[in-house]
Amino acid sequence: ELKVEQNPLFLSMQEGKNYTIYCNYSTTSDRLYWYRQDPGKSLESLFVLLSNGAVKQEGRLMASLDTKARLSTLHITAAVHDLSATYFCAVDMDQGAQKLVFGQGTRLTINP
Amino acid sequence: GAGVSQSPRYKVAKRGQDVALRCDPISGHVSLFWYQQALGQGPEFLTYFQNEAQLDKSGLPSDRFFAERPEGSVSTLKIQRTQQEDSAVYLCASSQALNYGYTFGSGTRLTVV
Repeated sequence: ELKVEQNPLFLSMQEGKNYTIYCNYSTTSDRLYWYRQDPGKSLESLFVLLSNGAVKQEGRLMASLDTKARLSTLHITAAVHDLSATYFCAVDMDQGAQKLVFGQGTRLTINP
Repeated sequence: GAGVSQSPRYKVAKRGQDVALRCDPISGHVSLFWYQQALGQGPEFLTYFQNEAQLDKSGLPSDRFFAERPEGSVSTLKIQRTQQEDSAVYLCASSQALNYGYTFGSGTRLTVV
């Protein structure tokens, strides 16, 4: 059974600081997704990582994938308040179908 | 439409009542997925369709849950004889192809009282 674990689960940080969210998964997969969820809202797709060594960046967020270590990271650079949200990673358990197993989510709060 | 549309946005059901949740995917999206998200948790896979074919329903928690997509567009998730443990947000997502990720709808928050 595929398990996906994120850490930390809660993160409070100050504006301007850098931090990294980690996503570990238990079985082989080379497709990993990052989503953002604001309170009471649906999930917004951030990144789709499709191969070992994939790195994608959008604004202050950068995601990477190491399939050998079964690890993805979401790095936040010079955080701003607008990035406060819950971030989920998800791993494709069936590469032909995009059936995703999600992590528990990391609730990120960025304080002025 | 521009996004995935779900209705109703909120539903309160008495225990034992049947409910039907609707999902309108993005036009032209072949794949449609249903997920259940309990409070404070990540979404959990329920079922998925490719066009009108339900290719996997392994995540449906019991035979009280039933999903259909008869014409390959709109989908309905039906829950019979609702129980308190069914209270959750039910998310629908559609995808145009592999490698694109999903577009999620806003979800239906079901509360069983």
